[in-house]
Formats: sequence, C-alpha cells, structure tokens
Amino acid sequence: QQQVKQSPQSLIVQKGGISIINCAYENTAFDYFPWYQQFPGKGPALLIAIRPDVSEKKEGRFTISFNKSAKQFSLHIMDSQPGDSATYFCAASGLHNAGNMLTFGGGTRLMVKP
Amino acid sequence: ETGVTQSPTHLIKTRGQQVTLRCSSQSGHNTVSWYQQALGQGPQFIFQYYREEENGRGNFPPRFSGLQFPNYSSELNVNALELDDSALYLCASSFTGNEQFFGPGTRLTVL
Repeated sequence: QQQVKQSPQSLIVQKGGISIINCAYENTAFDYFPWYQQFPGKGPALLIAIRPDVSEKKEGRFTISFNKSAKQFSLHIMDSQPGDSATYFCAASGLHNAGNMLTFGGGTRLMVKP
Repeated sequence: ETGVTQSPTHLIKTRGQQVTLRCSSQSGHNTVSWYQQALGQGPQFIFQYYREEENGRGNFPPRFSGLQFPNYSSELNVNALELDDSALYLCASSFTGNEQFFGPGTRLTVL
C-alpha cells in the first residue's frame, strides 16, 4: 500500500519560474513531513520539513504548503535555477509508527531549463 | 562535524552470496535507519536501530539483518542475495527524532 502519493513524476520549468510538486498521504498518524533533494549518485539531502500545526513554512526559495484537512502538502521552488535540477521526494513519518520510519513518495524529476 | 558515511561505495555480488554494508552515523546522533532504493523509486524503510536494539522494521524478510555498535555505527547484512536485491542502500542517522540525514549510499549489484 502506497501511503504517500507524489505528482507529477517529472517536471520541466524555465529558469526563474516556480516549480510545484504535490503529495497526498493517507495515514492520519503522520505528523512530520520532510522534503528531500537527490542528485544522481548521491543520497537524499533534507531540504525543508513541516509539522501539521502550521500551514506554511518558508526557507529561502523553498516553501512547503500544508493542508491537514485534505491530507495534502506541496513544495514550491521559487525562482527555479538549473542547479535545482534533481529528483525531489516528499516523505512522512509519525512518532508512533515503526521507529520513526520515513514513508517516501515516488519522486519527481525536476529539470530547470536555462 | 562529520556527516553520515557509508562503505563500500559500490559492490558486485552473485546470487546466493552474503553481503555486509557499513555506516558511520553523524556526530552526536544515536539512531540509524536503513533504506533500500531501487532504480527510479523512492527509498523503502528496512529497519532502524536505537541504542544497539532494533527499533522498528519495514516489510523486508529476515535475511535482512542489522547491528548497531556502541559508537552508534551500524551494519546491514543481507543473506542469500537475490537479483531483486540490486539497489542503492542508504543509511540515515538522527538524534531520537524525525529529522534524518542520509549518507551517500552503497550501490549493490547482484548478478
């Protein structure tokens, strides 16, 4: 059972544009929602994370929007740059599920064109 | 501050063999989690170790086993390798919380 669904699978954005990636979850026990960035041949790097007590969190060009009632959250990358080209994963975990395991979405391959 | 390190970087094994992968956690972290990432997919949780004991396990068979040592480093052992075990194996460390930091991974190829 895929508990975190991510869309789109791939995304092409022009330099300076806004990249938007969406995720939906099923398990209402989730209370921590991180986004990871992964470059080819590298491990995932933690970008930004949010807890359900806030609806939005911004760090630099990266913003998470969270909708608890809809069980959805999204990543917005403002002023997208070619260096942002990577695969992005949303994830979710809860304090009471198996050892704080992260459940990942399927990933979005982002390409930012110069 | 040293980040998460993993060894080896790449490994080639044949079906039926056994493999041991190693992970050194980030300084100050006491929890290690292992994930399997198949090509083109998101990481899948294998298990987590906290204070040298297994603290949670994903949907992986018993031939996947692990250890955590007093210095919080960890090993992942896989017995009776199958072709489908070919993947990137990721280790992540944390300090008793959700925030997990990943190492670069070990690429395992099973022939």
